[in-house]
Amino acid sequence: DGGITQSPKYLFRKEGQNVTLSCEQNLNHDAMYWYRQDPGQGLRLIYYSQIVNDFQKGDIAEGYSVSREKKESFPLTVTSAQKNPTAFYLCASSSLSGLQDNEQFFGPGTRLTVL
Amino acid sequence: AQSVAQPEDQVNVAEGNPLTVKCTYSVSGNPYLFWYVQYPNRGLQFLLKYITGDNLVKGSYGFEAEFNKSQTSFHLKKPSALVSDSALYFCAVRDTLYTGGFKTIFGAGTRLFVKA
Repeated sequence: DGGITQSPKYLFRKEGQNVTLSCEQNLNHDAMYWYRQDPGQGLRLIYYSQIVNDFQKGDIAEGYSVSREKKESFPLTVTSAQKNPTAFYLCASSSLSGLQDNEQFFGPGTRLTVL
Repeated sequence: AQSVAQPEDQVNVAEGNPLTVKCTYSVSGNPYLFWYVQYPNRGLQFLLKYITGDNLVKGSYGFEAEFNKSQTSFHLKKPSALVSDSALYFCAVRDTLYTGGFKTIFGAGTRLFVKA
């Protein structure tokens, strides 16, 4: 099956700890994205990557870090510097056609709770 | 700068009635417009998109949307609502004019309740 997977589904973290959220896709998509979803605020872009070994900050990158060592993988680390990390995190991917990107395919999400 | 607005937090409709979920946008160039649906505790699923061409776009599950350039709107519609359509709907826009990064902006979402 082609698709995008995220793990774990639920994650609990103590204050001061870093945690890494996994995102893998086998759709051969060039672009990958991380979003944060909070109630009533829609999706906010954390980081995105259009090519291996390159990524750009989104609107709320502070306290987060990413890597893109492989086309298929785009892990997100939530660091202790993120002041309010409790949220639902969504990973997405899309193909790129020249300068045009297409619709995004989303993973099932990871719900992070800070205890 | 690009932006998208969904003016209604919630839309209530009776099963079998037509539904409309509103979306307006602002871009510097021409827009690429998208609708997504999210069921509880799930990721978003793509419904339809407008890139160019016919202003009426048909998508999955009987949904359609009409691009109106003069009103900068892209409202989602369905002729006859089903209870199973109850979900959270997101409108999204991307500006074709490069402004430092090709990012898709999502609206805050509209929750649709379809009553049997």
